[in-house]
Amino acid sequence: NAGVTQTPKFRILKIGQSMTLQCAQDMNHNYMYWYRQDPGMGLKLIYYSVGAGITDKGEVPNGYNVSRSTTEDFPLRLELAAPSQTSVYFCASSYYRGNTIYFGEGSWLTVV
Amino acid sequence: KQEVTQIPAALSVPEGENLVLNCSFTDSAIYNLQWFRQDPGKGLTSLLLIQSSQREQTSGRLNASLDKSSGRSTLYIAASQPGDSATYLCAVSVFGNEKLTFGTGTRLTIIP
Repeated sequence: NAGVTQTPKFRILKIGQSMTLQCAQDMNHNYMYWYRQDPGMGLKLIYYSVGAGITDKGEVPNGYNVSRSTTEDFPLRLELAAPSQTSVYFCASSYYRGNTIYFGEGSWLTVV
Repeated sequence: KQEVTQIPAALSVPEGENLVLNCSFTDSAIYNLQWFRQDPGKGLTSLLLIQSSQREQTSGRLNASLDKSSGRSTLYIAASQPGDSATYLCAVSVFGNEKLTFGTGTRLTIIP
């Protein structure tokens, strides 16, 4: 099993550009999450999904969109990138609520 | 609003010593608590998960305890090794909420 795979690892965006962070898991997990981690701050939940076709907002959803068309994939879309979206983004998954959460390696995004 | 605090932010100890990392949370109505390890430039790896009905969990040299009434958890690392150097984060979830609330972590350095 590869676990949770994120791409790209690093990306530089210009203000106003858009991009999609890809996330895939091969553990047949129902729950998937997107977090962002800023220096000196705890991880903040952006969006989550409890199964294919179902998504919901987390703490900091503004400026982002997600979709969950399959169990395996949970892409995060950044529209009109802003410097405030410079961060490290982590995708994660778990079989169910309250189970162990598995994280991807992270995607470093810089908006200039 | 649940808040999670980890003090100290950084800790250095000589190799071979036993050590304790602390995690405190403000709302005792938690569903579970997880301890994670994060190496520089990497994602989070789940170390231990304690359900709200449990008092402790053990894995190898690691032992995590949970005291809901006082809003505290500790991660005990026995016979520390240089490979234990990393940032350790705790996170709590509450009933009916998919969001994990993370602490900002303790950066642990084991001195050879």
